[in-house]
Amino acid sequence: EAQVTQNPRYLITVTGKKLTVTCSQNMNHEYMSWYRQDPGLGLRQIYYSMNVEVTDKGDVPEGYKVSRKEKRNFPLILESPSPNQTSLYFCASSLGWGPPDEQYFGPGTRLTVT
Amino acid sequence: AQSVTQLGSHVSVSEGALVLLRCNYSSSVPPYLFWYVQYPNQGLQLLLKYTTGATLVKGINGFEAEFKKSETSFHLTKPSAHMSDAAEYFCAVSRDNYGQNFVFGPGTRLSVLP
Repeated sequence: EAQVTQNPRYLITVTGKKLTVTCSQNMNHEYMSWYRQDPGLGLRQIYYSMNVEVTDKGDVPEGYKVSRKEKRNFPLILESPSPNQTSLYFCASSLGWGPPDEQYFGPGTRLTVT
Repeated sequence: AQSVTQLGSHVSVSEGALVLLRCNYSSSVPPYLFWYVQYPNQGLQLLLKYTTGATLVKGINGFEAEFKKSETSFHLTKPSAHMSDAAEYFCAVSRDNYGQNFVFGPGTRLSVLP
């Protein structure tokens, strides 16, 4: 089944404790992206990647890191989480070439930082 | 810069009534427009998209949207609401015509009353 998977689905952590949220897709997509969803703000892009070893900042990159060492994986790293990073996070992927097209979203990771 | 507004953060309709969810955008390039739906505790999935060609676009589950360039709008409609349509709906516009980066609206939560 074609899908984007994220782990964990739920995470409660404390300020300053490094964490990683994994994202994997099995559709051989070139493009992957991370978003955060906050009430009233919709989805805001954190980072995106057009291909292996190619990443770029989105609209709200502060406090986050990403890497793309393999085409299928795109982990999101919070080196020192803070309470303002409490949010619902989505990973998405798409083919990546040609005109803008459908993005496939993972199920989301709900992060709480206390 | 591209932006998306969705009038009404919460819309309630009766079962069987018309659904109208509004989306207005601003774009410096000919837009690619998308509507996504998010059911509770799930990721986003594509409802429909406008790229080029016919301005009336049909999507899944009986939804359709019409691209009106003069009004910079892409409103989503469904003739008869069903209880299963209760969800959050997001309008998105592409940032450019060759990539996979998008700006999402803040979302509209649709409630369907029996």
